[in-house]
Amino acid sequence: DAKTTQPPSMDCAEGRAANLPCNHSTISGNEYVYWYRQIHSQGPQYIIHGLKNNETNEMASLIITEDRKSSTLILPHATLRDTAVYYCIVPRKTSYDKVIFGPGTSLSVIP
Amino acid sequence: NAGVTQTPKFQVLKTGQSMTLQCAQDMNHEYMSWYRQDPGMGLRLIHYSVGAGITDQGEVPNGYNVSRSTTEDFPLRLLSAAPSQTSVYFCASGGPQPQHFGDGTRLSIL
Repeated sequence: DAKTTQPPSMDCAEGRAANLPCNHSTISGNEYVYWYRQIHSQGPQYIIHGLKNNETNEMASLIITEDRKSSTLILPHATLRDTAVYYCIVPRKTSYDKVIFGPGTSLSVIP
Repeated sequence: NAGVTQTPKFQVLKTGQSMTLQCAQDMNHEYMSWYRQDPGMGLRLIHYSVGAGITDQGEVPNGYNVSRSTTEDFPLRLLSAAPSQTSVYFCASGGPQPQHFGDGTRLSIL
């Protein structure tokens, strides 16, 4: 997997947009960026993924820079239920291989 | 559609005992994996499988065995439980991405 780097923690006011960055400077041209989150004590949950274009779904938006070396997960109107650890991973695309999760970013949404 | 089912949800063992954590998925995914998560820590990959009959080691495989006789099932065996194996264990399946995780097994070794 390409190595990813995320800030260990972030705060966000309730109702504001939460912007979570991820650096993946060693990403290869055909590798996707995936985002997961883990709410306390629960199993991680898939959020969104992308290759080069910006993506949006009902949970979040994903902005990938043109050089693909970094991305930002955006929660447009953060709620208290969005308090969780957010993981950015870049698994290999061309072969089935082990998927390693880093420490992620612990997001605290503050009332 | 059950997704990924892990059993049991909670277990307490004594040091030296053995047990099997069960994981089953009904999505016909080829890729399955086991992670452990210690308090305040991230996920660490124990073992993974890319299909029936094929398994490989992850980051922290010592003390654990796996087998994959069917696409659906991927059990994790603790051969001789140690207090250091007290953790929450998550099973996941995917195609290989995105992965779907189970609710976890909370295991305490006394």
